[in-house]
Amino acid sequence: NAGVTQTPKFQVLKTGQSMTLQCAQDMNHNSMYWYRQDPGMGLRLIYYSASEGTTDKGEVPNGYNVSRLNKREFSLRLESAAPSQTSVYFCASSVLTGGADGYTFGSGTRLTVV
Amino acid sequence: ILNVEQSPQSLHVQEGDSTNFTCSFPSSNFYALHWYRWETAKSPEALFVMTLNGDEKKKGRISATLNTKEGYSYLYIKGSQPEDSATYLCAFYNTDKLIFGTGTRLQVFP
Repeated sequence: NAGVTQTPKFQVLKTGQSMTLQCAQDMNHNSMYWYRQDPGMGLRLIYYSASEGTTDKGEVPNGYNVSRLNKREFSLRLESAAPSQTSVYFCASSVLTGGADGYTFGSGTRLTVV
Repeated sequence: ILNVEQSPQSLHVQEGDSTNFTCSFPSSNFYALHWYRWETAKSPEALFVMTLNGDEKKKGRISATLNTKEGYSYLYIKGSQPEDSATYLCAFYNTDKLIFGTGTRLQVFP
């Protein structure tokens, strides 16, 4: 099983460019999440989708948009990248709505904005 | 904003030492507390999901306890090995998402 697949694994953007981070899970999970990881900050929630057709803001949503395209896919879009968005981005999914049973994480996308 | 705190921030131990670290979380409206192990350049992997006050979970040399009334959980590693080197994250389940602590980074020296 592939689990949670994130693409791309690495990306360098110029300030002002846009891009979409892709996430797909093949486990029939209900909920999906986007986190960013910065040194000394731990994992901070950007957006999440408790179930197909719903999305909600997390702790640090500014500068991002998301789309829950179907049950499998949850994408994160940066419309106009800024250096402050340099980070490692993790997608996760959970069987139970909200993740009370725990998350399965993707392998991460390392994004650098110059 | 819910606060999940972990201490210490980092820990260096010798192979064979036993160690433990703490996760503090809000004691009201408790649903579940999670522990994850996160190796460098990999993604976090679930260790334990704990739901009941007094819960004790064990996986090999790693165990965890839970006190929901006072809002803390301990993670113990008995006889640390170099392969235990990782960041250990706890996460508080809050209705519809997990709130993560900043982690305890453990390094075990041979």
